[in-house]
Amino acid sequence: EAQVTQNPRYLITVTGKKLTVTCSQNMNHEYMSWYRQDPGLGLRQIYYSMNVEVTDKGDVPEGYKVSRKEKRNFPLILESPSPNQTSLYFCASSFISQNSPLHFGNGTRLTVT
Amino acid sequence: QKEVEQDPGPLSVPEGAIVSLNCTYSNSAFQYFMWYRQYSRKGPELLMYTYSSGNKEDGRFTAQVDKSSKYISLFIRDSQPSDSATYLCAMAGPNFGNEKLTFGTGTRLTIIP
Repeated sequence: EAQVTQNPRYLITVTGKKLTVTCSQNMNHEYMSWYRQDPGLGLRQIYYSMNVEVTDKGDVPEGYKVSRKEKRNFPLILESPSPNQTSLYFCASSFISQNSPLHFGNGTRLTVT
Repeated sequence: QKEVEQDPGPLSVPEGAIVSLNCTYSNSAFQYFMWYRQYSRKGPELLMYTYSSGNKEDGRFTAQVDKSSKYISLFIRDSQPSDSATYLCAMAGPNFGNEKLTFGTGTRLTIIP
């Protein structure tokens, strides 16, 4: 089954404790991206990647890191999480063409206390 | 002012009603318009895709784009309880694909049996 898999689904952590949210897709998509979704603000792009070893900042990259060492994986790293990073995070992937639909994972709900 | 404005709702309508969901935008360069549907605890999924102006129909769903008014709509005919979800509009300019997608904040829709 074609899918984008994120782990974990739920994560509660404390300020400053490094964490990684994993994302993997099995559709051979070149493009992958991370979003955060907050009430009243909608989906905002954090980072994206057009292919292996190619990453770029989205609209809200501060406090986040990503890497794309393999085509299928695109982990999101929070080196020192803060409470304002409490949010619902989505990974998405697609082929690189203008009418290629984005395939989203089911989200990771992160709480930073 | 946000680039894309979408009434967050919530919107509740009886089963069988026609639903109209709308977004307005300010960037006249937007050429690609999409509607994503997001069920609770799930990632968004692409529902409709339209290029430039005009209408597109898919079953009970019709997407409409009026570029002169910078206004897009999604109509749902014969609404069903399974249509209860959050609907997000998304759009991009002519030289970009998913890496520069701008989302609305979403409208939460409930269809009452």
